[in-house]
Amino acid sequence: DVKVTQSSRYLVKRTGEKVFLECVQDMDHENMFWYRQDPGLGLRLIYFSYDVKMKEKGDIPEGYSVSREKKERFSLILESASTNQTSMYLCASSRTGTAYNEQFFGPGTRLTVL
Amino acid sequence: AQSVTQLDSQVPVFEEAPVELRCNYSSSVSVYLFWYVQYPNQGLQLLLKYLSGSTLVKGINGFEAEFNKSQTSFHLRKPSVHISDTAEYFCAVSKAGNTPLVFGKGTRLSVIA
Repeated sequence: DVKVTQSSRYLVKRTGEKVFLECVQDMDHENMFWYRQDPGLGLRLIYFSYDVKMKEKGDIPEGYSVSREKKERFSLILESASTNQTSMYLCASSRTGTAYNEQFFGPGTRLTVL
Repeated sequence: AQSVTQLDSQVPVFEEAPVELRCNYSSSVSVYLFWYVQYPNQGLQLLLKYLSGSTLVKGINGFEAEFNKSQTSFHLRKPSVHISDTAEYFCAVSKAGNTPLVFGKGTRLSVIA
């Protein structure tokens, strides 16, 4: 079974702090994704990556950056956390070469910025 | 561009009653369709997917969905729901090629005893 893990289930940070959210997958997937989930807005794509050291902006990249130094790990960085970044963050991965791009999700990190 | 509309944000239903969660998509090309389920405080789990072939797709936990190309719909159904089906359900679409899924805004299903 594909396993996607996220470093924290719950995180509380203060405004202005630099925040790192880590995601690791163990199935050698090429593609990795970061979403944020807010009530009534569904899942919104922040960034994704098709390969090591590659990244693409999603729909809402402002205020975020990412890092992918190893194939299995994809980090989401909040350079200076703000209260409007309080949200549930979901990481996902998928394999290149399948036509249908099924994504596998981690359990999520609920971030609160005070 | 693709988009997904889930027509109901919340659906309350009594236990053992049938339920239908509606999903419409827009795309100018052939697509692949998915339903994911999210139980409280968890990530998303794949419920079922339509890739090709039979338009009626069966998934886990007794759910099924029907692909209707002419109506660009992919509604999710279950003939008899349980309390444990209480969750949020997301419809998603993908086109061929290495592109991220596009998700609807979700439908919160609440099963009432």
